[in-house]
Amino acid sequence: NAGVTQTPKFRVLKTGQSMTLLCAQDMNHEYMYWYRQDPGMGLRLIHYSVGEGTTAKGEVPDGYNVSRLKKQNFLLGLESAAPSQTSVYFCASSRTTGPWESQHFGDGTRLSIL
Amino acid sequence: GENVEQHPSTLSVQEGDSAVIKCTYSDSASNYFPWYKQELGKGPQLIIDIRSNVGEKKDQRIAVTLNKTAKHFSLHITETQPEDSAVYFCAASISSGANSKLTFGKGITLSVRP
Repeated sequence: NAGVTQTPKFRVLKTGQSMTLLCAQDMNHEYMYWYRQDPGMGLRLIHYSVGEGTTAKGEVPDGYNVSRLKKQNFLLGLESAAPSQTSVYFCASSRTTGPWESQHFGDGTRLSIL
Repeated sequence: GENVEQHPSTLSVQEGDSAVIKCTYSDSASNYFPWYKQELGKGPQLIIDIRSNVGEKKDQRIAVTLNKTAKHFSLHITETQPEDSAVYFCAASISSGANSKLTFGKGITLSVRP
């Protein structure tokens, strides 16, 4: 059981380049999330989705776009990468809409913007 | 919005001793409090959680306590082992229908000295 899989695991970009991070889950979860993790900042929510075809902004959405065309996939796009977007990006998913639901995380994508 | 704080930011204990990590939250409407463990190079993994209608929960060597009046909750690890060394995140969730989201603390690095 793979759980939440993120690709790629590492990436180096130049300022201004674009890229897409892919998250796939095989648990049939409704909710999916994208976080970024920076030293001393914990996990901050970028965007999330409450179901196929839906997306919503989180705490730090600027500079990112997302799409949820299929229930099992959640894509995070950087339109024009900036050094401030150097971070570790985590995708997570959860089963239902209830407040008690724990989130299952992937192992992250380490992104460096030069 | 919700604000979750963790103190201290680092903690070092001798193997076999107990470790206590404390978190405070700001919104009295929060009703779900999970703890995540993040090992180096991995994504956060849920280790224990507690709901607002429960004061304490145990699972082998770990336990979580919740004080709703004071708005703080703590993670207790007994008989610490080197493999307990990791970053620990607390989080709080406010139930708001379809948009329940977790707010994470900034994390604490626990080091267990052999």
